[in-house]
Amino acid sequence: GAVVSQHPSWVICKSGTSVKIECRSLDFQATTMFWYRQFPKQSLMLMATSNEGSKATYEQGVEKDKFLINHASLTLSTLTVTSAHPEDSSFYICSAATGRIGEAFFGQGTRLTVV
Amino acid sequence: GQNIDQPTEMTATEGAIVQINCTYQTSGFNGLFWYQQHAGEAPTFLSYNVLDGLEEKGRFSSFLSRSKGYSYLLLKELQMKDSASYLCAVMDSNYQLIWGAGTKLIIKP
Repeated sequence: GAVVSQHPSWVICKSGTSVKIECRSLDFQATTMFWYRQFPKQSLMLMATSNEGSKATYEQGVEKDKFLINHASLTLSTLTVTSAHPEDSSFYICSAATGRIGEAFFGQGTRLTVV
Repeated sequence: GQNIDQPTEMTATEGAIVQINCTYQTSGFNGLFWYQQHAGEAPTFLSYNVLDGLEEKGRFSSFLSRSKGYSYLLLKELQMKDSASYLCAVMDSNYQLIWGAGTKLIIKP
């Protein structure tokens, strides 16, 4: 399968600071990238869908100004958690789609801890 | 509303066979996925079913019945490394993935 690299794998930050998470498709061009959040023992929750060169589409209840998504190229999308708070501590996962139905690959995930 | 149901937890013995069921009610259907997720890691793709029937892939098989809104993941010759959460997800008419809560599979020696 194709490779999606997500960086960093884990990060600890102070409350009030911002954290940027990168998601790269290494050997294919991702027409669409998805950002998910997963709390312990819960299912994946879609946060937003982003297409290259256009604004991300956020799911209901997800704050656009807090979770900034940039999809500047067909191989890179970034999620910035601004003014992070302890309740933002979670596992964030990106997924990159090739455009063919059923074909999407996940990054390794980023465990964010806000202290 | 859209709904995916799967058991919360299952226990099986090394070397045995286990079947994890998934039932769904969604707005449209464009395929059903099974993913494996080890603790602290991102999900990895196991299977994709869009037509009725059984898809076999090594020790893992996945079955789909669209008329019943039902799928199962069958794991044979269980190994300790198969201890993980197994996520069922359905792609709806808008090509959005609707996720189940996952089934935690515990393998005992």
